[in-house]
Amino acid sequence: DTAVSQTPKYLVTQMGNDKSIKCEQNLGHDTMYWYKQDSKKFLKIMFSYNNKELIINETVPNRFSPKSPDKAHLNLHINSLELGDSAVYFCASSQGLAGPSTQYFGPGTRLTVL
Amino acid sequence: DQQVKQNSPSLSVQEGRISILNCDYTNSMFDYFLWYKKYPAEGPTFLISISSIKDKNEDGRFTVFLNKSAKHLSLHIVPSQPGDSAVYFCAAPHSGSARQLTFGSGTQLTVLP
Repeated sequence: DTAVSQTPKYLVTQMGNDKSIKCEQNLGHDTMYWYKQDSKKFLKIMFSYNNKELIINETVPNRFSPKSPDKAHLNLHINSLELGDSAVYFCASSQGLAGPSTQYFGPGTRLTVL
Repeated sequence: DQQVKQNSPSLSVQEGRISILNCDYTNSMFDYFLWYKKYPAEGPTFLISISSIKDKNEDGRFTVFLNKSAKHLSLHIVPSQPGDSAVYFCAAPHSGSARQLTFGSGTQLTVLP
């Protein structure tokens, strides 16, 4: 029973290409997130969606465009990939925005841009 | 500006002994803290949390202590087991509209058999 799943797990691509990472959660949560883990291992928030609406957009290049077709899905599309985009991207979900809310993470997608 | 800091990148402990992982924070608005455990090639998994109204929370072998005046929290694992070897992240949710988590840089715990 996978709670938060991401595809693909690994993605190797050339600079300049456009790629997408998909995320799905079956926990019934209404809030989903994308985090980036950089080479220094820091996990940083990129986007957050609540009920399909964007509520956080941190300082992320506009080449990154999240799309939430429904509450259970939050996909990440990246245009014109650059070397610096190489990282591990984690999707997460939680229920509600008020009060403490544990976030559940997917297994990550390791993106390598050559 | 790192609002959550884990100053020890690694820690080695003998099996059966206590593991103590430390975390400091600078944002006094944080009111809740979480510890996540991460194995290689997997996503972080929630381990234990503590509200700022408490100074201790215990769950089996895992206990988190919070010292608000020092802006410091620690995770104790007793007794440590080889399966506990992982990277441990301290995190705190923002008080804003989205409760996104700010993570520390993680501590690699190695429990030696």
